[in-house]
Amino acid sequence: KAGVTQTPRYLIKTRGQQVTLSCSPISGHRSVSWYQQTPGQGLQFLFEYFSETQRNKGNFPGRFSGRQFSNSRSEMNVSTLELGDSALYLCASSLGYADTQYFGPGTRLTVL
Amino acid sequence: DQQVKQNSPSLSVQEGRISILNCDYTNSMFDYFLWYKKYPAEGPTFLISISSIKDKNEDGRFTVFLNKSAKHLSLHIVPSQPGDSAVYFCAASFRINAGGTSYGKLTFGQGTILTVHP
Repeated sequence: KAGVTQTPRYLIKTRGQQVTLSCSPISGHRSVSWYQQTPGQGLQFLFEYFSETQRNKGNFPGRFSGRQFSNSRSEMNVSTLELGDSALYLCASSLGYADTQYFGPGTRLTVL
Repeated sequence: DQQVKQNSPSLSVQEGRISILNCDYTNSMFDYFLWYKKYPAEGPTFLISISSIKDKNEDGRFTVFLNKSAKHLSLHIVPSQPGDSAVYFCAASFRINAGGTSYGKLTFGQGTILTVHP
């Protein structure tokens, strides 16, 4: 079975731009969660989607949003980028909300 | 408020010896715990998990111990190998729906850098 895939792997943007990151979960997994990893804050939960519905959201500003499609693929969007948004963005999928999460390789976002 | 803590930023161990990584948590509602291994610029790789109804779970060289009264868990790696050198994260979650705020959320510790010397 293929693992979680994320595209693109690397991205460079400038302040004020917006960005969309994509995640394809493991086949059959319906829950997709997103995390941000930075040196200062560690791994922080962004949000979780299940059956195209956002069921949980972490403590991030409204500039961070996401969606899930009927095939369970998910996208996250960050608008009006700030320097502090530079981070590794990780997507994880699981069968259901209470199951083990498996992570993708991440997207490294650099904001200049 | 850091609900999951890994107090040792780093650990150095000789090849063949035991590596013990520790993790403490404060939220007694957590009922599922996981350990992940991570290399730089890659996503975390799942290693082993334990439910709060157990106090030990083994998988090959990896064993996780849970002490609920102390709100403490540990990961033992025996024997340690140079390929085990990585950052190890413990994570906690709620398997029982805690009013919707539990969905899909793992709370991570800050990580421990393990170095296994040949």
